[in-house]
Amino acid sequence: KNQVEQSPQSLIILEGKNCTLQCNYTVSPFSNLRWYKQDTGRGPVSLTIMTFSENTKSNGRYTATLDADTKQSSLHITASQLSDSASYICVVSERSQGNLIFGKGTKLSVKP
Amino acid sequence: SQTIHQWPATLVQPVGSPLSLECTVEGTSNPNLYWYRQAAGRGLQLLFYSVGIGQISSEVPQNLSASRPQDRQFILSSKKLLLSDSGFYLCAWNQGRYSTEAFFGQGTRLTVV
Repeated sequence: KNQVEQSPQSLIILEGKNCTLQCNYTVSPFSNLRWYKQDTGRGPVSLTIMTFSENTKSNGRYTATLDADTKQSSLHITASQLSDSASYICVVSERSQGNLIFGKGTKLSVKP
Repeated sequence: SQTIHQWPATLVQPVGSPLSLECTVEGTSNPNLYWYRQAAGRGLQLLFYSVGIGQISSEVPQNLSASRPQDRQFILSSKKLLLSDSGFYLCAWNQGRYSTEAFFGQGTRLTVV
């Protein structure tokens, strides 16, 4: 069954610190993997998208990695800010129909 | 450009009342359409997805149903709401197997009282 697992479920860090969120998937055939940021009560906003051949992509202080062999991805946030507090969702698209499989997200809280 | 509209933004409904949430997409054709729910403190849960008019797949048995009467219209319904139906409902779309992006509506906050 196509699944996306994220860890940790929640994370609290101090402002200015770095953190890394994990995403493991069993989606096949794989098309692409996206990381989204979702503020409370809002729709998710895309941070990065990676296809099979890409293993790193950056968007400002966000850097995503993809290992298609082990089916793992990570999202690294550097020099965290209070505004980074949100849920981060990993989404994998399977290639046959383009269906999206969502992880349950990691809730990040950045404290001053 | 492509846009997605979802309404209403907030809704308070009594237990046992019907529900109809609507989502429409503009600027594209034959999109894949999705309904998700996010209960308080929980992750996104896929409820329904559709790859074409009249084609609805249900991921989780529940008190809800979905319909796709037109190519770019996706409706989430219930005949009788339960307290457990409260949550944040998101509509999303992508362009199918060759898609490199997915787009989300702004969500509907449903409170069943």
